[in-house]
Amino acid sequence: AQSVSQHNHHVILSEAASLELGCNYSYGGTVNLFWYVQYPGQHLQLLLKYFSGDPLVKGIKGFEAEFIKSKFSFNLRKPSVQWSDTAEYFCAVNPTSGTYKYIFGTGTRLKVLA
Amino acid sequence: DADVTQTPRNRITKTGKRIMLECSQTKGHDRMYWYRQDPGLGLRLIYYSFDVKDINKGEISDGYSVSRQAQAKFSLSLESAIPNQTALYFCATSDPGVANYNEQFFGPGTRLTVL
Repeated sequence: AQSVSQHNHHVILSEAASLELGCNYSYGGTVNLFWYVQYPGQHLQLLLKYFSGDPLVKGIKGFEAEFIKSKFSFNLRKPSVQWSDTAEYFCAVNPTSGTYKYIFGTGTRLKVLA
Repeated sequence: DADVTQTPRNRITKTGKRIMLECSQTKGHDRMYWYRQDPGLGLRLIYYSFDVKDINKGEISDGYSVSRQAQAKFSLSLESAIPNQTALYFCATSDPGVANYNEQFFGPGTRLTVL
């Protein structure tokens, strides 16, 4: 069955620390990959996306993610977090064939201490 | 104006009541989705619709039904609400066209509490 794993459920960092959130998926075909962010009390917003080409993609607010096809991974990174990055982060996979459904990970709740 | 709207934003109801959550969009997308979000479980797909005549069950459709009244409207109903349906519900839309690569756009959510 298709699935998305986010291994870090809760992460606490101090401001200026570096961030890496893991995302692994299980699907053998071609996929579109997304990271969404949900700030407290708000709806999900797109952070970045990968469809093809350069496996290192840059998103908003200084976030980037690297697609490693051989590892079925799409990890999210940020060199220096800010207090305003406190939010929940969701990885999502969208197979490009079949039903085109999204599969979401369970989310990682990030808290950044000022 | 928001592209994807949901009503109501908050609702408290009692066990056994019928509840309808509504979603409207002005993005012109054919594809619409209903998800529920529970702490620690992420987003789980309840139903999805690829056009007005196409309705499909997601991974957790039991206890729910949907209606796609028009391209812009997709309603979720709980025929007889139960406490474990207490959750945050999100509607989303997408367009698989080349420009968007099926990126999903989410509404603000409806917080439903079933007592």
